[in-house]
Amino acid sequence: TQLLEQSPQFLSIQEGENLTVYCNSSSVFSSLQWYRQEPGEGPVLLVTVVTGGEVKKLKRLTFQFGDARKDSSLHITAAQPGDTGLYLCAAALNNTDKLIFGTGTRLQVFP
Amino acid sequence: GAVVSQHPSRVICKSGTSVKIECRSLDFQATTMFWYRQFPKQSLMLMATSNEGSKATYEQGVEKDKFLINHASLTLSTLTVTSAHPEDSSFYICSAKPPGQYNSPLHFGNGTRLTVT
Repeated sequence: TQLLEQSPQFLSIQEGENLTVYCNSSSVFSSLQWYRQEPGEGPVLLVTVVTGGEVKKLKRLTFQFGDARKDSSLHITAAQPGDTGLYLCAAALNNTDKLIFGTGTRLQVFP
Repeated sequence: GAVVSQHPSRVICKSGTSVKIECRSLDFQATTMFWYRQFPKQSLMLMATSNEGSKATYEQGVEKDKFLINHASLTLSTLTVTSAHPEDSSFYICSAKPPGQYNSPLHFGNGTRLTVT
């Protein structure tokens, strides 16, 4: 059983569309991170959310941490082809540095 | 900022041979490093925690005799895939962070693409 489930698994959209990616768990986390990974590279950190209900914005990306700190969402406004990549949520287990990744959402934005 | 470097970035080896992958923290000391494996079109799966000066701790289902981890110094961890088989072909990624920085993010290497023929 995967600790962090992401949906959708795949997303293929046209440039300019909006989209939301979800990350769900039955566990409570002290913090949750979102990463973006391009082929052949390591994941790059986008944001860390810490407080339940917290909303963080990074240009056209909006991240929200659920009130109960069990889930999170990533919303992209007016997607661009440069947003194409694998989006991963991740959380540390039991106050350790051991980071567990979600199942991933592969986004393809067509011009 | 903190940088983690992996070497090699790509390696092709024959079935039955062993391959060593290096993970270095370039500008900080790391008592703990983590090794992940990523199969095509899948997410990262944690394989093991590399502990400087002591044995690595492996996640359930990961064979410790097949994936040998050595963390001989505070800036270097190595992962050796022994007697590699085609099913070991994968993208291996390491990560680390400076000690004592609670809640700070892990820094990831750029990964090593292993192809076993």
